[in-house]
Amino acid sequence: NAGVTQTPKFQVLKTGQSMTLQCAQDMNHEYMSWYRQDPGMGLRLIHYSVGAGITDQGEVPNGYNVSRSTTEDFPLRLLSAAPSQTSVYFCASRRLAGGPETQYFGPGTRLLVL
Amino acid sequence: GNSVTQMEGPVTLSEEAFLTINCTYTATGYPSLFWYVQYPGEGLQLLLKATKADDKGSNKGFEATYRKETTSFHLEKGSVQVSDSAVYFCALIENTGNQFYFGTGTSLTVIP
Repeated sequence: NAGVTQTPKFQVLKTGQSMTLQCAQDMNHEYMSWYRQDPGMGLRLIHYSVGAGITDQGEVPNGYNVSRSTTEDFPLRLLSAAPSQTSVYFCASRRLAGGPETQYFGPGTRLLVL
Repeated sequence: GNSVTQMEGPVTLSEEAFLTINCTYTATGYPSLFWYVQYPGEGLQLLLKATKADDKGSNKGFEATYRKETTSFHLEKGSVQVSDSAVYFCALIENTGNQFYFGTGTSLTVIP
C-alpha cells in the first residue's frame, strides 16, 4: 500500500493563478479530507468527503473547491490563488465504518502564493 | 462545541529528561482522543490513541491516559531522545462524528 499520496510536494503560484492539488489513497477509505497547516493555528479543515459524489465544507472552505468522483481521489482546487493561501496542505483519509478510526495523512504540499 | 487546547511551545529538553505535554479538550459527546506526531518535512503520524475514559494509550515509550473527570489527555515520556524532536498534536473525534479536531501543536526539541 502506498497509503495517502499527494502531488506536487511544492508549488509556487502568482496571485490569481489556479491550480489543483492532487490526493489519492489506496486503502479504500470512505472518508477523505483536506487540511491547511499554518504556524500557531494547527490544522484547519477545508473540505471533506464521506464517499464518492459527496463533499462538504469544513472550517475554512472559502477559495477552495473539491470533488470526489472516485473513492481513491480527492483533488483540491484553488480557483484564484491569493497570498493568504500560502500554507502547507495535508490530505487525509480513514474508514468510516466501525467507530472512530485512525486518520492517515499524506506527506503534504507546500504552497507559496506571491 | 468541540475543541482541543495544548500547552504552548516550543519545548526544549535535554536527552533523557522527562516529557509532559498537556492537552485538554471540550466535547459535546463522547470522544476518542489521539496524539499525532509530525517529524520535520513529513505528514502527521498516529502516535497513540484512547477511545474511552481511563484508557491508556502507549507507543514508543510515550503514554497518555484519557481522564474524563479533568477532560485531559496529557502526553508523557520518561526519557526523551534526540529522535523524539517533532511537533506533537492532540486531537479528538466524537464517537458518532466525522470530523477530527486538532490542537495547535507543540514543538519539541531534544538536545544531546
